[in-house]
Amino acid sequence: NAGVTQTPKFRVLKTGQSMTLLCAQDMNHEYMYWYRQDPGMGLRLIHYSVGEGTTAKGEVPDGYNVSRLKKQNFLLGLESAAPSQTSVYFCASSYGRDNSPLHFGNGTRLTVT
Amino acid sequence: AQTVTQSQPEMSVQEAETVTLSCTYDTSESDYYLFWYKQPPSRQMILVIRQEAYKQQNATENRFSVNFQKAAKSFSLKISDSQLGDAAMYFCAYRIGGATNKLIFGTGTLLAVQP
Repeated sequence: NAGVTQTPKFRVLKTGQSMTLLCAQDMNHEYMYWYRQDPGMGLRLIHYSVGEGTTAKGEVPDGYNVSRLKKQNFLLGLESAAPSQTSVYFCASSYGRDNSPLHFGNGTRLTVT
Repeated sequence: AQTVTQSQPEMSVQEAETVTLSCTYDTSESDYYLFWYKQPPSRQMILVIRQEAYKQQNATENRFSVNFQKAAKSFSLKISDSQLGDAAMYFCAYRIGGATNKLIFGTGTLLAVQP
C-alpha cells in the first residue's frame, strides 16, 4: 500500500527555472493539500483541493500554481523559482472532513540557488 | 484568522519520565477538530492523537493523552513513560468543521529524550 507518493525527493533549481512536483495517492481520497515546511515556521498551507477538478488557495499561495486533473494526482508548479521558495514541500491527502486525519508523503527538499 | 501557537520551541525529558507539550489556538468557531502530529528525523509526519471539540472527554492513545480546555482554547499533549523513540518534532494542528477542511499547524516543539 503506497499511500501518498511524492516525486522527486530532492531537487536543486536555479533562480528563474520552473518545475512541477507530483503527488499521487492510491487511497481514493477526495481532499489533497500542499504544504511547505520552513525552520521555525511549521507547516504552511500553499494550495489545496476538495475534489477532482477543484483547487483553492491556502495561506501562502503566491508563486505557486496547482492542478488536480485526476482524483489521485495533485501537481504543484513553480513557474519562476526564487530563493525564498527553498523549502521542504509536503503533499497530504484525507478521506473526508472534520476529524479525518491527513496522510502525508515523505516530502521534497527543494533548493533554489 | 485562526492561529495555532506552540510556545515551547524545544523541550527535554528523561527516559521513562512524563512531559507535557503546550498548544493554544485562537478561533471563534464552535465546531472544530484538533490534532497532534509527530515528525521524527526521517521527516515522516505521523498522527499521534486527535480530539473533537464537541467531546468533553480527553482523548488518549496508549502513552499519549491530551488535556483539552475548550474555554481556555488549550490543547496540550502529555507523553507518559517517555521512550527514546519519542524524540521528534511535535506539531499541534487545528481544523474547522465543514467544507473548509483546511488544517492549520503550529510552529512545532522539538522534543529531546535523554537516556
